[in-house]
Amino acid sequence: QVQLVESGGGVVQPGGSLRLSCAASGFTFSSYGMHWVRQAPGKGLEWVAFIRYDGSNKYYADSVKGRFTISRDNSKNTLYLQMNSLRAEDTAVYYCAKEVMVATIDYWGQGTLVTVSS
Amino acid sequence: QSALTQPRSVSGSPGQSVTISCTGTSSDVGGYNYVSWYQQHPGKAPKLMIYDVSKRPSGVPDRFSGSKSGNTASLTISGLQAEDEADYYCCSYAGSYIVVFGGGTKLTVL
Repeated sequence: QVQLVESGGGVVQPGGSLRLSCAASGFTFSSYGMHWVRQAPGKGLEWVAFIRYDGSNKYYADSVKGRFTISRDNSKNTLYLQMNSLRAEDTAVYYCAKEVMVATIDYWGQGTLVTVSS
Repeated sequence: QSALTQPRSVSGSPGQSVTISCTGTSSDVGGYNYVSWYQQHPGKAPKLMIYDVSKRPSGVPDRFSGSKSGNTASLTISGLQAEDEADYYCCSYAGSYIVVFGGGTKLTVL
């Protein structure tokens, strides 16, 4: 069965950096685009970034453009999110998610909490 | 990249039907037939309920249906059941691999 397991969350000071990882299994990782979606405490879902199946193209929400970098290692079945210049408003649960077709997510990880606080 | 507009909350009694709207623009909802809906129970990851405006993944009850008119998409849940109580989010493609979510609607089953 499909499994997406995020790791790397934690508490970081404003201006700091963090790298999230998402280990994928149960499907051919290299065949699917992948998203990061976040959810601030008590708030709604916010799309963060998308990477095509082969890593050739990457797309970002305006709120994170220039600060976050999505990447993948298809040999390790792993998705990454490098987050720099973190702000308090980046505090959220970050979900790794598999795209099945255009802008449609069929599997989500359990999420990893990132807290930006001094 | 503005969020799609959903009502903050809707409610209905068991057995009734409810409809949740999702309003965007001609650059997202109105421009593509790539609207999806997700159900999220507290503390859980979202679950895909509808994709491509009106298609249901296998395993999703046919009580759930989707539609679209112009810049507004809708999710209708008929024969409400207690387990339907959750948050619901719409999602649309907005071109250039950009995705936008709605603000979410809390469904209360009375």
